[in-house]
Amino acid sequence: DVKVTQSSRYLVKRTGEKVFLECVQDMDHENMFWYRQDPGLGLRLIYFSYDVKMKEKGDIPEGYSVSREKKERFSLILESASTNQTSMYLCASTTRQGEPSYGYTFGSGTRLTVV
Amino acid sequence: GESVGLHLPTLSVQEGDNSIINCAYSNSASDYFIWYKQESGKGPQFIIDIRSNMDKRQGQRVTVLLNKTVKHLSLQIAATQPGDSAVYFCAESGTSYGKLTFGQGTILTVHP
Repeated sequence: DVKVTQSSRYLVKRTGEKVFLECVQDMDHENMFWYRQDPGLGLRLIYFSYDVKMKEKGDIPEGYSVSREKKERFSLILESASTNQTSMYLCASTTRQGEPSYGYTFGSGTRLTVV
Repeated sequence: GESVGLHLPTLSVQEGDNSIINCAYSNSASDYFIWYKQESGKGPQFIIDIRSNMDKRQGQRVTVLLNKTVKHLSLQIAATQPGDSAVYFCAESGTSYGKLTFGQGTILTVHP
């Protein structure tokens, strides 16, 4: 069964800490995405990557950065965590070719709380 | 700006009823639409999709309708079951990278 695995389900961090959220996929997908999910706002795209070492800003990149050193791994970095970054973070991946739906697989999410 | 939104944030139905979840979109250039289901503690899962050159597509117990004139998308679930209880999201795509824009979500609750 194909998988997108996020390293932590729940995370509690202090304001100002540097936070790493890890995502690994085993489907050899080219494209990977980081979304955050907040009540009433749906899923909003933070960053995406269409190849190793490539990255593109999404709709809300401020306060975040990403790293894609290997095809299967896409990391989201909160340089200095703030309370307004408390959220559910979802990673997803898809193939570059073909329909987004067939290759668009989500991880189970990481619920991050910044105190 | 471009957005995809939902008319109703919650929907409660009885088991066996048909459910209709609605979605409005504003980007007339969108050419591909998807419905996702998200159960508690899980990531969104694909349900059904439709291209902008179609107005209806059917799956198993689900039907998606697209009205491009009024930029409206709906998901119909036949004979709704308790296992259908979840949050449902519509999403639109217009890029080759599979970048999706999501609506706010509708909570569907099915009562036995």
